[in-house]
Amino acid sequence: SYVLNQPPSLSVAPGQTARITCGATNIGSKNVHWYQQRPGQAPVLVVFDDRDRPSGIPDRFSGSNSGNTATLTINRVDAGDEADYYCHVWEHSSVVVFGGGTKLTVL
Amino acid sequence: EVQLLESGGGLVQPGKSQRLSCTASGFTFSDYAMNWVRQAPGKGLEWVSVISGDGHDSFYADFVKGRFTISRDNSKNTLSLQLTSLSAEDTAIYYCVGGSTFFDLWGHGTLVTVAS
Repeated sequence: SYVLNQPPSLSVAPGQTARITCGATNIGSKNVHWYQQRPGQAPVLVVFDDRDRPSGIPDRFSGSNSGNTATLTINRVDAGDEADYYCHVWEHSSVVVFGGGTKLTVL
Repeated sequence: EVQLLESGGGLVQPGKSQRLSCTASGFTFSDYAMNWVRQAPGKGLEWVSVISGDGHDSFYADFVKGRFTISRDNSKNTLSLQLTSLSAEDTAIYYCVGGSTFFDLWGHGTLVTVAS
């Protein structure tokens, strides 16, 4: 089965840039979606189709995907960005895979 | 306002069954493929199942192994998940999720606890 590898945790100082990776074989050939989950809340879509943002998501959030790594970038991180972040692809047309999640801590 | 409201969670004994429901409002339900995604306490997201907008096609994660059945009633804007042969490993928050490629609609979830 297809496995998406995310670092379990990442710490970033306020105002700096967070880069959360999602690694898998040839992930660049797939569409990657990203979700933010704040403590005690349901996940929220923050990036879809590698780099597009839903309405209401700040442009501080961006995505990229190439080769074996997809990346969610959060610019000018603030305390409100502290959350778990998950990447998501469809392994094939009928099976969904999530990454293990990355806990972002804002120092 | 788009809303997905899950119900049916609770404490269930190992080996027993439980039926989860999700009522949708604020969007054209039949236009959306619908999913169930679960999250065990302190763990990550785990996809469970998807059903097409017209209800004709459904797929499951390997771990389901024939124990769960997803269904929908577009006349009532409801999504269901029948859980059978439950074990402690099935303890989780079960989210009702809308979307066929990316998941842009999420309910708040319903907690299923499997314990004796």
